[in-house]
Amino acid sequence: GNSVTQMEGPVTLSEEAFLTINCTYTATGYPSLFWYVQYPGEGLQLLLKATKADDKGSNKGFEATYRKETTSFHLEKGSVQVSDSAVYFCALSAFTFSGGYNKLIFGAGTRLAVHP
Amino acid sequence: GAGVSQSPRYKVAKRGQDVALRCDPISGHVSLFWYQQALGQGPEFLTYFQNEAQLDKSGLPSDRFFAERPEGSVSTLKIQRTQQEDSAVYLCASSQPRRSGRGNEQYFGPGTRLTVT
Repeated sequence: GNSVTQMEGPVTLSEEAFLTINCTYTATGYPSLFWYVQYPGEGLQLLLKATKADDKGSNKGFEATYRKETTSFHLEKGSVQVSDSAVYFCALSAFTFSGGYNKLIFGAGTRLAVHP
Repeated sequence: GAGVSQSPRYKVAKRGQDVALRCDPISGHVSLFWYQQALGQGPEFLTYFQNEAQLDKSGLPSDRFFAERPEGSVSTLKIQRTQQEDSAVYLCASSQPRRSGRGNEQYFGPGTRLTVT
C-alpha cells in the first residue's frame, strides 16, 4: 500500500542554520509528492510539490527533489528563520483512476522550532 | 469565498452525543475531502465527494460516521454517539481536478477540533 515516513521531531535549530527534514515513501504507480506546512493556530498550507521523478519543488527558500531511485522527497532550506517554526508534513497523492481523484496520504509531521 | 471555511472551530461533546461539522469549500470546487487528524499525527483520509456524489468513504472509521454534500457545495460530517476515540481535528479540503490527474492542490480549511468528554 501507499505510505509516507518522515523523520521524527522536534527539530530545534538556531536562526540561519541549514534545515533537512527527511521523507521517504512507498507507493504503487507514480504518485505526486507534496510538503504541507501548519503554522500555529492555522490550517495546512501547501509549501511545494513535485509531480514526477527528478522534479524539484521550491517555495520561500525551501526545496525538495523527487528521487524515484531512493523513494525520497527530503525538504531543505539553506537558512531558516524564526518565522519558519511550524509543523511540516510530507504527503503523497495517490491517483484513483476509477474516480479520477487524488487523496493525500500524510506522514506524521515534523515539528520545527527555530530560535534567535 | 476566499478559502475553505469550517464551523464550529471547536466542539466539546459528551460521550454519546451526536455532532455535525460543517465545511464550506472554495466556490466552484468540484472535489471535497474530509480528513481526521489525531493529536501529534498526520491527517488521515475519511471520505471524498465529487460534486454531490460520495465516491469514496473507505476511510470512515465506523458506521457512526456519515457525510453528505447534497447540493454539491457545502458538506456536513456527522458523528453519531460520539466516543472518546473520536477526539481529533477534522479537516476539510477542496480542489479542482486537473485533466492530467496529477499534482492538483488541495486547499484546507482551519479544521474543527472535537473533544469528547
